[in-house]
Amino acid sequence: DAEITQSPRHKITETGRQVTLACHQTWNHNNMFWYRQDLGHGLRLIHYSYGVHDTNKGEVSDGYSVSRSNTEDLPLTLESAASSQTSVYFCASSEGTDYNEQFFGPGTRLTVL
Amino acid sequence: GQNIDQPTEMTATEGAIVQINCTYQTSGFNGLFWYQQHAGEAPTFLSYNVLDGLEEKGRFSSFLSRSKGYSYLLLKELQMKDSASYLCATLDSNYQSIWGAGTKLIIKP
Repeated sequence: DAEITQSPRHKITETGRQVTLACHQTWNHNNMFWYRQDLGHGLRLIHYSYGVHDTNKGEVSDGYSVSRSNTEDLPLTLESAASSQTSVYFCASSEGTDYNEQFFGPGTRLTVL
Repeated sequence: GQNIDQPTEMTATEGAIVQINCTYQTSGFNGLFWYQQHAGEAPTFLSYNVLDGLEEKGRFSSFLSRSKGYSYLLLKELQMKDSASYLCATLDSNYQSIWGAGTKLIIKP
């Protein structure tokens, strides 16, 4: 069965370190998204991609970067982790842009100390 | 600015009906969807509305009024497993999704 996975599921890191969160989908979807979810806030879009070598900034992209070298993977990198980036991160994928049913990964809980 | 409002928390009784409202103001509109999210889990898709009216899917129905910037999710014959957060989100003119903070639904026996 097709799926979307994230790793690690939990991560504790220190301020200033570089962190990469992995996202892998086997749906063969063109569109992939990274969100963060914090208490009292809705999901906030960090970066998204509509295909290989395509990346776009979302609402809260500062301090994050992504790259898309193949269809299956969209890793999210925190260049220099900050305590404000402590959050739950969800990766999602979807088939098209006009009917946006997104399939979400299980999430990564990141703590920056 | 872009904004989505939904109640923070609602309580209902097992077997009853509950309506969760969502109002939105976005730059352009390309549809509204509802997701369910159980605590500690990922959101899962429930419904998508792009035209005015009611869409029914089993015990769940979703309504949209584009002129009023308003939607609701109707849950019938509530079950304990329906205890979850319900997320309202819209697609703006650039097909970017804008999400509400979610409504936590508590089901009591």
